[in-house]
Amino acid sequence: EMQLVESGGGLVQPGRSLRLSCTSSGFTFSDYAVSWFRQSPGSGLEWLGFITRTPSGGTTEYAASVKGRFIISRDDSNSVAYLQMNSLKTEDTGLYHCARGRVEMATVPGIWGQGTVVTVSS
Amino acid sequence: DIQLTQSPSTLSASVGDRVTITCRASQTVVTWLAWYQRRPGQAPNLLIYKASTLESGVPSRFSGSGSGTEFTLTISSLQPDDFATYYCLQYYRYSWTFGHGTKVEVK
Repeated sequence: EMQLVESGGGLVQPGRSLRLSCTSSGFTFSDYAVSWFRQSPGSGLEWLGFITRTPSGGTTEYAASVKGRFIISRDDSNSVAYLQMNSLKTEDTGLYHCARGRVEMATVPGIWGQGTVVTVSS
Repeated sequence: DIQLTQSPSTLSASVGDRVTITCRASQTVVTWLAWYQRRPGQAPNLLIYKASTLESGVPSRFSGSGSGTEFTLTISSLQPDDFATYYCLQYYRYSWTFGHGTKVEVK
């Protein structure tokens, strides 16, 4: 079964850092783009950024709201993607999801993980 | 950023009803638009991509149409599993953006 599982969420103080992991199974991870999203309490879905598949260069794009603070990376040898979140703000609180491109050459998200909760509070 | 406006925000319907949800973009996204279903406590589920292409495994009662700035998601005959929240996503320009969602609830 193809799946993604996020981990690393928790309670963190404003200004601190947190790294989320997105662990995949059931498919060749390096062949797929990976995106990160969040849903804040009472809000809709927000795209945070993505990293292209390794054969396409593993390049990244970010939403303006997190550019310069969040970094997406991937470790294909362990089938994991990461979301490094720095200088966290209370408004970064939410449920964080990773998602895989629907097929190898696509970035549009097809398979999503269930998410991990991040709470930024003092 | 491209803004997506979904309407209605809430829709009350009965099993068997035909349901239509609209997503309007503040500028053209050509056909780079997807629709997702989200049930409480579950991850989003891709229904439609490229505005009108049904994702593999998605029931044929779901359909999408439109191009440019106006798009629709139609459920031809609402089933019990379909009571959920639906989101459109544009992936034409960075930053990708979502509509605010349409909750389909039991009438």
